[in-house]
Amino acid sequence: DVKVTQSSRYLVKRTGEKVFLECVQDMDHENMFWYRQDPGLGLRLIYFSYDVKMKEKGDIPEGYSVSREKKERFSLILESASTNQTSMYLCASSFSGGRQGGTQYFGPGTRLTVL
Amino acid sequence: QKEVEQDPGPLSVPEGAIVSLNCTYSNSAFQYFMWYRQYSRKGPELLMYTYSSGNKEDGRFTAQVDKSSKYISLFIRDSQPSDSATYLCAMIKLTGGGNKLTFGTGTQLKVEL
Repeated sequence: DVKVTQSSRYLVKRTGEKVFLECVQDMDHENMFWYRQDPGLGLRLIYFSYDVKMKEKGDIPEGYSVSREKKERFSLILESASTNQTSMYLCASSFSGGRQGGTQYFGPGTRLTVL
Repeated sequence: QKEVEQDPGPLSVPEGAIVSLNCTYSNSAFQYFMWYRQYSRKGPELLMYTYSSGNKEDGRFTAQVDKSSKYISLFIRDSQPSDSATYLCAMIKLTGGGNKLTFGTGTQLKVEL
C-alpha cells in the first residue's frame, strides 16, 4: 500500500512565524506535490517536484517555498506565516511518465491555523 | 471557463440508492481519469483510475469514461451512509502537461438512513 505521511495533523502558528510542513512517501515516487484546499476553491497546487533538488511553481506559489533533499521527503516552508495562509495543506506523490496514469496518492493533510 | 466542471451538490440520497456523479471536461488531451473520495478533514483517497472509454468496475463502484462526449461518471450501487463524502474527479494529460492533475471542485454526497 502506498503511504504518504505528513508531519502534523493540526498546527497553530502566529503571524510572522516560519512554518515547516514535512511530507514523506514510501513508494519511491519521483513526483511530489503540495496543495492547499479551501472551501469553495477546491485543490490548488502550490509547488511540485519531479526529482531531488528540482522544483516547479504551481498555481499559487507566492509566500511559499519548498525543499527536496531526498527522494522520499518534500518540505513546504512558509517563510513568514500570514492569516490568509490558514488552510488545509495536502501532500501527494506519484510516479513520473505514464506509470499508473500519473495517479497521485495523498497524505492525511495538515490543518494549519495562523493567528 | 474551467477545464473540468463538476456539480458541487450537495447530493442527498436514501440508503440503497444508485448514485451517479459526473464531470465534464473541455480538453481532449486528457488521457487518464481518476475518482477520489474525501471524508471531512481527511486527505483524498484514490477510488479508481481509468484510461480508455468504457466502464471499469470495482465492487460497488463503476467508473465510466466517454471521451467522445468529454464526460466521465462514477456510479455507486447500494449506497451506504459510509459513502457520505466529497467525491473529486481528476484527470491528467501526460504529454505537455507534466504530471499535474486537473481536479473538479468536488461533489458532496450524503447518504441518509
